[in-house]
Amino acid sequence: QVNLLQSGAALVKPGASVKLSCKASGYTFTDYYIHWVKQSHGKSLEWIGYINPNSGYTNYNEKFKSKATLTVDKSTNTAYMELSRLTSEDSATYYCTGDFDYWGQGVMVTVSS
Amino acid sequence: DVVMTQTPPSLSVAIGQSVSISCKSSQSLVASDKNTYLNWLLQSPGRSPKRLIYQVSKLDSGVPDRFSGSGSEKDFTLKISRVEAEDLGVYYCLQGTHLPQTFGGGTKLELK
Repeated sequence: QVNLLQSGAALVKPGASVKLSCKASGYTFTDYYIHWVKQSHGKSLEWIGYINPNSGYTNYNEKFKSKATLTVDKSTNTAYMELSRLTSEDSATYYCTGDFDYWGQGVMVTVSS
Repeated sequence: DVVMTQTPPSLSVAIGQSVSISCKSSQSLVASDKNTYLNWLLQSPGRSPKRLIYQVSKLDSGVPDRFSGSGSEKDFTLKISRVEAEDLGVYYCLQGTHLPQTFGGGTKLELK
């Protein structure tokens, strides 16, 4: 069965960076674009961007262009999102999803000193 | 960016009742390939979102036919016939026609 397994919760200091992972299994990794979605506590969802695992092509929401960097490692079927220069506004749950058909379990990022 | 406006923000229902949720977009969602990329998702409490419907009215695999989607251009509706307890949670519409993809604000379905 298809599974997207995300890395564990992260507590990071303001100004630091964090790299989240999303390991795919149960399907051919290049069959789905991997999208990343942000959900601030109790709020709606925001699309961060997507990466084509085959070509590495990325497309970002302008709002997140200087915040997020999406990459993949085809050898391990893993997608990554690095968030940089973290502030309290980046505290949220982040999901990876394969074309919105399959979703990871989400990872909570807390930015606090 | 395309703004997706969902109404109502919350709904209180009894099991077995039917409900409808509206989603209106600020621009037409008809793409250049003539498809309309409007999805409906459900986020059950404490869970990841799950897509129920794609391209306005196509049910994802395993989704009960109590769910149906309709609409065109800028005006879309999700209908749930005979609500069951497992249907409770927050429903979101998501447009994929224009970048950036954008979500509605959500409709919380609760038990009366």
